[in-house]
Amino acid sequence: EDQVTQSPEALRLQEGESSSLNCSYTVSGLRGLFWYRQDPGKGPEFLFTLYSAGEEKEKERLKATLTKKESFLHITAPKPEDSATYLCAVQAGANNLFFGTGTRLTVIP
Amino acid sequence: DAGVTQSPTHLIKTRGQQVTLRCSPKSGHDTVSWYQQALGQGPQFIFQYYEEEERQRGNFPDRFSGHQFPNYSSELNVNALLLGDSALYLCASSGRTGGRNVLTFGAGSRLTVL
Repeated sequence: EDQVTQSPEALRLQEGESSSLNCSYTVSGLRGLFWYRQDPGKGPEFLFTLYSAGEEKEKERLKATLTKKESFLHITAPKPEDSATYLCAVQAGANNLFFGTGTRLTVIP
Repeated sequence: DAGVTQSPTHLIKTRGQQVTLRCSPKSGHDTVSWYQQALGQGPQFIFQYYEEEERQRGNFPDRFSGHQFPNYSSELNVNALLLGDSALYLCASSGRTGGRNVLTFGAGSRLTVL
């Protein structure tokens, strides 16, 4: 059975304090790993798709990496506007996404 | 570009009632998926519609049904509401534009069942 585990559940950072969010997964036949950002009261917003181990993608202060068992979302010098819930999802045999429960990030000025 | 629009944004129902939620996909998208997101949880896949047919279904009972119209818009219907159906219902669209596996989500319809 597909499984996605995100850690930590919540993370508080000072502005400028870099850190990483973890997404470990168990799935047969990974077709893609997705990172989404969700602000309170809004739907998830697409950030990255990773397809194979060793792949990396960057966008502003965010960098996503992928291994055969987990993905990391690195946040460099975060700002308060980076505060959100970050969701990881995997796509296996079907076309639907299987989501983790998310990491709630708070960046304090 | 209007993105994915959902209505209503909030609604309150009582147990046993029925509800219909509506979704208009992003321009250029032809596939609509519905997800249920309980408080503090990640979204859970309900079903996906393409070419007016249900193509895939998640682990949800038959009380959950849907429809896709020729203009690609979609409805989610839930019958015999239970307290546990209280959640944020998210519609997501995808299509050849931007990649078939990249979902664009709407802001959701928050359903409260009393």
